[in-house]
Amino acid sequence: QKEVEQDPGPLSVPEGAIVSLNCTYSNSAFQYFMWYRQYSRKGPELLMYTYSSGNKEDGRFTAQVDKSSKYISLFIRDSQPSDSATYLCAMSAMYSGGGADGLTFGKGTHLIIQP
Amino acid sequence: IAGITQAPTSQILAAGRRMTLRCTQDMRHNAMYWYRQDLGLGLRLIHYSNTAGTTGKGEVPDGYSVSRANTDDFPLTLASAVPSQTSVYFCASSARRGGNEQFFGPGTRLTVL
Repeated sequence: QKEVEQDPGPLSVPEGAIVSLNCTYSNSAFQYFMWYRQYSRKGPELLMYTYSSGNKEDGRFTAQVDKSSKYISLFIRDSQPSDSATYLCAMSAMYSGGGADGLTFGKGTHLIIQP
Repeated sequence: IAGITQAPTSQILAAGRRMTLRCTQDMRHNAMYWYRQDLGLGLRLIHYSNTAGTTGKGEVPDGYSVSRANTDDFPLTLASAVPSQTSVYFCASSARRGGNEQFFGPGTRLTVL
């Protein structure tokens, strides 16, 4: 079982719809959760950053973390064609004093917002 | 403009050649990272550095080396390139090690023939 599972899509929705993107994970040590947006041939861009469980809202974006279920979500309200991109979830354990400190990424979901 | 720059943008390289990918950040971040991104495999950590003078191995370090002589620069070297190293390489940085947000550069697209 992979540490982080993310449906690759593509997910195609009409403009204005609410989009739900999700990841599941297996490592209970993960405490930090991030969502990145990546446009074609560009670097990942940090969208949302949350620590532990709960919700965080930023404009049209809401990140939700349920550590008991090992499940995180990103909701996009009033979706726009400019939201079309690949969305990557990423997570990290708390600092442990050793080991690799990079993020563990999902493989990304390709989102298409139809005008 | 604050951020991360990478060079070259793209490169075609003959197998067996040595190649150094450059990464520079101006955010005074302590930690820096190198990832490769491959279709179907996602982003995988190659090497990281928590602070100048220290480096560590990530998930896929074989065939790559790094150095961190100062805070701003974190070059990635392929000593003898092989076709399986064809990938898009991203450099990233964060203020501190651990769970902090990581910020990514624009990437280097490398093709090894």
